[in-house]
Amino acid sequence: DVKVTQSSRYLVKRTGEKVFLECVQDMDHENMFWYRQDPGLGLRLIYFSYDVKMKEKGDIPEGYSVSREKKERFSLILESASTNQTSMYLCASSTPSGNQPQHFGDGTRLSIL
Amino acid sequence: RKEVEQDPGPFNVPEGATVAFNCTYSNSASQSFFWYRQDCRKEPKLLMSVYSSGNEDGRFTAQLNRASQYISLLIRDSKLSDSATYLCVVNLNSGGYQKVTFGTGTKLQVIP
Repeated sequence: DVKVTQSSRYLVKRTGEKVFLECVQDMDHENMFWYRQDPGLGLRLIYFSYDVKMKEKGDIPEGYSVSREKKERFSLILESASTNQTSMYLCASSTPSGNQPQHFGDGTRLSIL
Repeated sequence: RKEVEQDPGPFNVPEGATVAFNCTYSNSASQSFFWYRQDCRKEPKLLMSVYSSGNEDGRFTAQLNRASQYISLLIRDSKLSDSATYLCVVNLNSGGYQKVTFGTGTKLQVIP
């Protein structure tokens, strides 16, 4: 079974802090994704990566950056956290084939105070 | 028009009922399709892929209608444990990348 592990289930940070969310997958997947999910808005793609050191902006990249130094790890960084970044953050991974589904981590519920 | 649209529900159905959800997509070049299940405050989990000829997994049947650009999920003999939000997902290879679009989900509540 694919295992996608996110570093924290719950996280509370303060406005202006730099926040790191970590994601590790154990299936040697090339593709990794970061989403946020908010009520009524569904999953929105923040950033994705198709290979080590490669990154592409998703639909809502503002206020975020990412790092992919190793194939198994994809980090999401909130440069200066703001209250509107309070959300559920979900990491996913998949093979490059468009016919394969994504597999999700448990999610991190982030609150910015 | 949204790329992927679902009726948000909620669908409230009695145990044992049959319920069906539809999901429409706007890009006719979309290539692969999935249904995910998401429980409250949990991550989405793959329920089933959707194949062109339709496919079944126990009480669940998924179908694809490319001409009308929709996929469907049928649940027979609903159980209380089927209560969840069901997300449809559409994949498209675009510019060498895999573009994945999620619907906002349809909420199902199975009542005793």
